[in-house]
Amino acid sequence: AQSVTQLGSHVSVSEGALVLLRCNYSSSVPPYLFWYVQYPNQGLQLLLKYTSAATLVKGINGFEAEFKKSETSFHLTKPSAHMSDAAEYFCAVGGFTGNQFYFGTGTSLTVIP
Amino acid sequence: GAVVSQHPSRVICKSGTSVKIECRSLDFQATTMFWYRQFPKKSLMLMATSNEGSKATYEQGVEKDKFLINHASLTLSTLTVTSAHPEDSSFYICSAPPLGQGSYEQYFGPGTRLTVT
Repeated sequence: AQSVTQLGSHVSVSEGALVLLRCNYSSSVPPYLFWYVQYPNQGLQLLLKYTSAATLVKGINGFEAEFKKSETSFHLTKPSAHMSDAAEYFCAVGGFTGNQFYFGTGTSLTVIP
Repeated sequence: GAVVSQHPSRVICKSGTSVKIECRSLDFQATTMFWYRQFPKKSLMLMATSNEGSKATYEQGVEKDKFLINHASLTLSTLTVTSAHPEDSSFYICSAPPLGQGSYEQYFGPGTRLTVT
């Protein structure tokens, strides 16, 4: 069975501080992993994806994530938080027959001025 | 990049009526589209997989007679909420993987906010 766990439903950081959003996955096959951002009343925007190439993936808006197979993790980081980063972030796993994605429960990021 | 649109973006309907939501891939073809439901401050719950030219596949617990899905062409899937009730109020999002890209790429629509009064 496939699943995604996002530790911490709410994360608060100060503007300029490091952002770390955690994602662990469970998969019976090598997965593809994704991070999406969602702003209020909007759809999902792809931040970055891992599809079995480089384990350190760089995305948009200064975000990056590292795939660690030994830890079954794909944590999202950004060196310096900006006010505009405040949003809901979802980790997802794909790569399965049927093309389905499985989403984590989301992490709401608050950036404190 | 590939674009998926949804129409309408917001809809308010009265209890007992039906509402149709369209999902279109604007610059690519998709034999499969996915419909998700998102409750406030919750994750996306996969409702069903829409298959062009064949019946949709519903996830466990999703009423197929209530949420009718039609994938009429390679660029259009529709979700009809029949006999809507207030508990059907939610944010509905569709997604589509472009042909040939398998499951390592999907594009999401902007979502449709349904409010049933």
